[in-house]
Amino acid sequence: AQSVSQHNHHVILSEAASLELGCNYSYGGTVNLFWYVQYPGQHLQLLLKYFSGDPLVKGIKGFEAEFIKSKFSFNLRKPSVQWSDTAEYFCAVKKGSTLGRLYFGRGTQLTVWP
Amino acid sequence: DADVTQTPRNRITKTGKRIMLECSQTKGHDRMYWYRQDPGLGLRLIYYSFDVKDINKGEISDGYSVSRQAQAKFSLSLESAIPNQTALYFCATSDPGLHETQYFGPGTRLLVL
Repeated sequence: AQSVSQHNHHVILSEAASLELGCNYSYGGTVNLFWYVQYPGQHLQLLLKYFSGDPLVKGIKGFEAEFIKSKFSFNLRKPSVQWSDTAEYFCAVKKGSTLGRLYFGRGTQLTVWP
Repeated sequence: DADVTQTPRNRITKTGKRIMLECSQTKGHDRMYWYRQDPGLGLRLIYYSFDVKDINKGEISDGYSVSRQAQAKFSLSLESAIPNQTALYFCATSDPGLHETQYFGPGTRLLVL
């Protein structure tokens, strides 16, 4: 079965610290990859996505992620976090052959202290 | 995203009651989804629909049913609510032309007593 693993359940950082959130998946075929963010009390919003081409993708608010096919990973990064980045972050994977369905990781809660 | 709306936003009900959660979208997408979110478990797919005549079970469909009344409307019903259905429920839509990026509604917070 498809699974998506997010290794960090809760990350606590100070402002200006660098961020890296891990995401690994278990499917060996073609995949589409997503990171979503959920700010407190809000719905999920797309941060960035990868479909093909350059494995380093840039998203909104200074976030980026790198697809490393050999490691089945799609880690999210930001060089300098802000207090406003406090949110829950979800990695999601779509199998290339599967219409529509996304498989979500369990999420990582990021808390940034000012 | 204002293009995907859910009603109600909050609901408290009692064990055994039947309730319906509604989702409407103005994005013109054919594909719609219902998820539930529980702390520490992420989002789990309940049902999904690729068009009005197509309904599919997701990972956790037991105790739930859905109705796709129109392209724009997708309702989720709890036939006989139980306390472990207390959760945050999200509706989402997607468009294959946009690489299946999913757009989420604001969520319905449901408490079953």
